[in-house]
Amino acid sequence: EVSLVESGGGLVQPGGSLRLSCSASGFTFSNYWMHWVRQAPGKGLVWVSRINSDGSTTSYADSVKGRFTISRDNTKNTVHLQMNSLRAEDTAVYYCGRGGYWIDDWGQGTLVTVSS
Amino acid sequence: DIQMTQSPSSLSASVGDRVTITCQASQDISNFLNWYQQKPGKAPKLLIYDASNLETGVPSRFSGSGSGTDFTFTISSLQPEDAATYYCQQYDKLPTWTFGQGTKVEVK
Repeated sequence: EVSLVESGGGLVQPGGSLRLSCSASGFTFSNYWMHWVRQAPGKGLVWVSRINSDGSTTSYADSVKGRFTISRDNTKNTVHLQMNSLRAEDTAVYYCGRGGYWIDDWGQGTLVTVSS
Repeated sequence: DIQMTQSPSSLSASVGDRVTITCQASQDISNFLNWYQQKPGKAPKLLIYDASNLETGVPSRFSGSGSGTDFTFTISSLQPEDAATYYCQQYDKLPTWTFGQGTKVEVK
């Protein structure tokens, strides 16, 4: 059974940094693209970033480009999202997801709150 | 950037009703459109991919159609467990994705 478990969320001050992790199991992790999607409280889904199966290609939404970095460790079945220069508008539940052109499995999400 | 406009933003229907949600793209996206269901406090769930293909295990009362700029998501006979927010998502203009703003479905 596919399992994706996010961790690393929490309260951080504006301008601060946070590193999210997503631990995967139940499938051949190195075969799949992985994504991060976020959802601000009471709002809709927003795609954040994607990384290809071997980590050589990454993409970002304009709103996080230059501040967030996605990476993966295929030896540990883990994908990370390094978030720097955080802003209040980055406050959201962050989901990791498995897939290429769609996400067919999602984690439960981890809450990031950016506030002083 | 491609904009995805869903309508309505919310609806209320009775058990057994046919429910239709539309998603309009700001430019031609062929059939590169997916639909997700999200229940409160839960992660989204893939229902339909490539506009009309039902994800494995998803009940057949859910369906999708359309191509180009206009897409439709239908629940043929609404059930109580279908109360959720539904999102469309395009992937035509890679590497970025766009989600619609969501449609909240209430079951009377």
